[in-house]
Amino acid sequence: RKEVEQDPGPFNVPEGATVAFNCTYSNSASQSFFWYRQDCRKEPKLLMSVYSSGNEDGRFTAQLNRASQYISLLIRDSKLSDSATYLCVPGGTYGGSQGNLIFGKGTKLSVKP
Amino acid sequence: DGGITQSPKYLFRKEGQNVTLSCEQNLNHDAMYWYRQDPGQGLRLIYYSQIVNDFQKGDIAEGYSVSREKKESFPLTVTSAQKNPTAFYLCASSIAGGEAFFGQGTRLTVV
Repeated sequence: RKEVEQDPGPFNVPEGATVAFNCTYSNSASQSFFWYRQDCRKEPKLLMSVYSSGNEDGRFTAQLNRASQYISLLIRDSKLSDSATYLCVPGGTYGGSQGNLIFGKGTKLSVKP
Repeated sequence: DGGITQSPKYLFRKEGQNVTLSCEQNLNHDAMYWYRQDPGQGLRLIYYSQIVNDFQKGDIAEGYSVSREKKESFPLTVTSAQKNPTAFYLCASSIAGGEAFFGQGTRLTVV
């Protein structure tokens, strides 16, 4: 299995739709997980952190399934401004060694009017 | 204002030249990273450093070199051995187990 795998998409959805992305990872020792948003020709920016089973922030929900080694990102009530590429990355051991940070290749989301 | 700064934003290099990209952070982070991104592609790890005076190769280190003489600084040199250096270069830093913070990136073009 590759270290981090994401469906590249694109996911084309209408405004108001609910969309979910999955990200699988191979390092079972990872204790922290992150979702980033990257706009075209810009640097990635942190969207959500996940340290336990999940996290919710407004329209965004991230869930972690350690047994199956995947994290998901759910976006409800999609807005045009949500159009971007979403990257996931398993972090290191919290408080311990960070090691490298291998990002998934990203999932492209396009929200249409 | 704490953050991570990359310079320059745009850089042009003649074939056969070495160039150095700057990355400075004042977040007191131990770990720093360099990534390369080609158009429409994901981030690929070039080098990373977990502590001063130590660094490790990432997936695509050939043709690149780094140094970590100070905690705040992690410069990347793109050498003439890198045959296709035109890309978007991103530097990031983090605490152990924490999220990465990115600089605004440097766009390198070979002319």
